[in-house]
Amino acid sequence: GDSVTQMEGPVTLSEEAFLTINCTYTATGYPSLFWYVQYPGEGLQLLLKATKADDKGSNKGFEATYRKETTSFHLEKGSVQVSDSAVYFCALMNTGNQFYFGTGTSLTVIP
Amino acid sequence: EAGVAQSPRYKIIEKRQSVAFWCNPISGHATLYWYQQILGQGPKLLIQFQNNGVVDDSQLPKDRFSAERLKGVDSTLKIQPAKLEDSAVYLCASSSSGRPTDTQYFGPGTRLTVL
Repeated sequence: GDSVTQMEGPVTLSEEAFLTINCTYTATGYPSLFWYVQYPGEGLQLLLKATKADDKGSNKGFEATYRKETTSFHLEKGSVQVSDSAVYFCALMNTGNQFYFGTGTSLTVIP
Repeated sequence: EAGVAQSPRYKIIEKRQSVAFWCNPISGHATLYWYQQILGQGPKLLIQFQNNGVVDDSQLPKDRFSAERLKGVDSTLKIQPAKLEDSAVYLCASSSSGRPTDTQYFGPGTRLTVL
């Protein structure tokens, strides 16, 4: 079946470090891909998305590119801040409009 | 614009008891989702409604879980009887039409503890 695999956490970085959180997916056809974020004490919210191959989603300095050839949608940010500390979830919506989430990666940014 | 509302926020029950959760989506949103998020895991879709019809309930344990959205607005998810492994956060989300280009908006969740 369709699924999303993301890198295990937790991840701890110093402020201004470069961030990569890996995400790969299994799905037939061309799913839509998403990154959601859950800040401490808050609900899930959409961070960025890409709905077709080679699209780049971006928001709040985060970017992810939909790579069909490697079935990947890695999340990157050039310089993280303490306020980026959260749990990040990669997700896909398949061609049947069914949603699948990864297990989440916890990020802690220390000053 | 008001967000997705859920109640209760917390619920503690004994195993074999029944429990119900309520969700009110964002006004005008046709698509409503219920997810189960077990501690340390990502959300798992239980059921998806388009207006008052079920689009997908393939991962809903139908022997004990049921959900309805009778008037195409708010929705209720019920567990009867509850098991220990049902302890989780139950998330409700809505989107305007369920297309990939639509954003899903999540409620704060109901944290269920089954003792």
